[in-house]
Amino acid sequence: NAGVTQTPKFRILKIGQSMTLQCAQDMNHNYMYWYRQDPGMGLKLIYYSVGAGITDKGEVPNGYNVSRSTTEDFPLRLELAAPSQTSVYFCASSYGAGNTIYFGEGSWLTVV
Amino acid sequence: GQQVMQIPQYQHVQEGEDFTTYCNSSTTLSNIQWYKQRPGGHPVFLIQLVKSGEVKKQKRLTFQFGEAKKNSSLHITATQTTDVGTYFCAGLTNAGKSTFGDGTTLTVKP
Repeated sequence: NAGVTQTPKFRILKIGQSMTLQCAQDMNHNYMYWYRQDPGMGLKLIYYSVGAGITDKGEVPNGYNVSRSTTEDFPLRLELAAPSQTSVYFCASSYGAGNTIYFGEGSWLTVV
Repeated sequence: GQQVMQIPQYQHVQEGEDFTTYCNSSTTLSNIQWYKQRPGGHPVFLIQLVKSGEVKKQKRLTFQFGEAKKNSSLHITATQTTDVGTYFCAGLTNAGKSTFGDGTTLTVKP
């Protein structure tokens, strides 16, 4: 099992560009999440999904979009990148609510 | 909405000293989980507590869940340099949503 795999690991974007962070899990988990973590700060939930075809906003969804067409994949789309989106992004998954949350290794994004 | 507060935000200790981080929720929790994030790494699951008053131990780490299921603590005895990192609690409400605390970052001076 690879667990939760996210790509790219590092990316530099120019202001106004768009990009997609890819996330895949091979544990047949129903729940998937996207968090962002600013330097020295905690985890902020961007979006989450409780199953294929279902997504919902977290605490900080503005400037992002997600889709969940399959159980395995949960890409995060950044439209019109802004410096405030400079952060580390973690994709995560769990079997259900309250089960262990498994995190990917993170994607370091810088917007200049 | 539900809030999970974690204190302290930072803790600096001398190697061998004890360390405790506290997690408090505004609402009753169904369970609480603890995660550790090493510097530059990703959060990794440590343990889950479910029962009121539950206490679990992992070597030098002791985890407690309060009687009212609104607070929890993680205590490390005789810290080592390998304990450095940020410790997060995550509380699950009866509504089925998990919320992470902001974490406590532990540094250990050898």
